[in-house]
Amino acid sequence: AQKITQTQPGMFVQEKEAVTLDCTYDTSDPSYGLFWYKQPSSGEMIFLIYQGSYDQQNATEGRYSLNFQKARKSANLVISASQLGDSAMYFCAMRAYNQGGKLIFGQGTELSVKP
Amino acid sequence: DTGVSQDPRHKITKRGQNVTFRCDPISEHNRLYWYRQTLGQGPEFLTYFQNEAQLEKSRLLSDRFSAERPKGSFSTLEIQRTEQGDSAMYLCASSFWGQVNSPLHFGNGTRLTVT
Repeated sequence: AQKITQTQPGMFVQEKEAVTLDCTYDTSDPSYGLFWYKQPSSGEMIFLIYQGSYDQQNATEGRYSLNFQKARKSANLVISASQLGDSAMYFCAMRAYNQGGKLIFGQGTELSVKP
Repeated sequence: DTGVSQDPRHKITKRGQNVTFRCDPISEHNRLYWYRQTLGQGPEFLTYFQNEAQLEKSRLLSDRFSAERPKGSFSTLEIQRTEQGDSAMYLCASSFWGQVNSPLHFGNGTRLTVT
């Protein structure tokens, strides 16, 4: 069975500093993808970044990067130069290719950026 | 590309009543997903369609829940004989299925309150 674990219910970071949000996963499928989504208080789910299980390099998208450690089954999101608008819930999710197209989500981490 | 739209945004109903939600996916996407999200939790998978075929249903989807996607376009999610435990945000998402890296694009959700 697939499982995503986010162990940090809440995190605080000072504006302009970097922050790492943890995510570990479990799957027996060799082909899978890992996704991070942001959910502001307004409720919409915003796709941030993707990492494939066969990708050799860590994914980056602007201020977002994914620290992918396959042997440890971790896919941590790093946000550099935090901004007040980064305050939101962040969800890690996984899709295993042989388990159909659905995403399985973690419990989320609430990030608060302090001015 | 107008995004995924859901209707209504909010629904308040009395216990025992039936409710129906609608989702219009991104037109070129062939997969459509329904999720349920309760406060402080990650989205939970309910069901998904590829074109008009319903490919998977979660065990969370009791007999009171039914989803359809006639003609492979919009989808409806109906809850019969609503219970207070059905109160949640119901999220619809769509994607193009061909590669594991296709992200899900979410609508803004329908918030259901059962009194």
